[in-house]
Amino acid sequence: DAMVIQNPRYQVTQFGKPVTLSCSQTLNHNVMYWYQQKSSQAPKLLFHYYDKDFNNEADTPDNFQSRRPNTSFCFLDIRSPGLGDAAMYLCATSRDDVGSGGYTFGSGTRLTVV
Amino acid sequence: AQKITQTQPGMFVQEKEAVTLDCTYDTSDQSYGLFWYKQPSSGEMIFLIYQGSYDEQNATEGRYSLNFQKARKSANLVISASQLGDSAMYFCAMREGQRGAQKLVFGQGTRLTINP
Repeated sequence: DAMVIQNPRYQVTQFGKPVTLSCSQTLNHNVMYWYQQKSSQAPKLLFHYYDKDFNNEADTPDNFQSRRPNTSFCFLDIRSPGLGDAAMYLCATSRDDVGSGGYTFGSGTRLTVV
Repeated sequence: AQKITQTQPGMFVQEKEAVTLDCTYDTSDQSYGLFWYKQPSSGEMIFLIYQGSYDEQNATEGRYSLNFQKARKSANLVISASQLGDSAMYFCAMREGQRGAQKLVFGQGTRLTINP
């Protein structure tokens, strides 16, 4: 089945130690999104890729970066994780003519910072 | 300004009863879409139902229906005959625009608890 896969499912990292979360998709969608969701809050969009074009949200901290080496993969890099970065990170994909086709979400990576 | 507003932080409902989760939205676009997602404690975001701004009929998907009132800018989710497995966080979300990378913006969510 076509899907969006996030690895790892759970990630524990040390304060200040760089960490990378990965997302892959078999849907051939040209848009990929990264959301951060803290406990009991709404998912918050960090950035998205439209094909190779990177689009950062205005309030996304510089500590967060992203790479999309090809259509299938997208990575979220946190350069120096702080305790406040502990959250669920959700990857989603869509076509550029979303309509009712909607968005496909991965299962998320739950990040713990110790 | 808040684009999606869910005014019910928590709801408690008896099993088999119907429940309505409220959602209001704010947009100046003519073309937009409204989504409802269910998020169980495991964290995955499960798509439930979609309503396009030009759809004249309310969307339905099994036990889920969307009460779309365009003039009031509301898109309430109705779950009929609630089940214990419906206990989860529910998010209303909106995408704006027709083409390009259309960002999905979420409301704050409603935590639904179904009591036996």
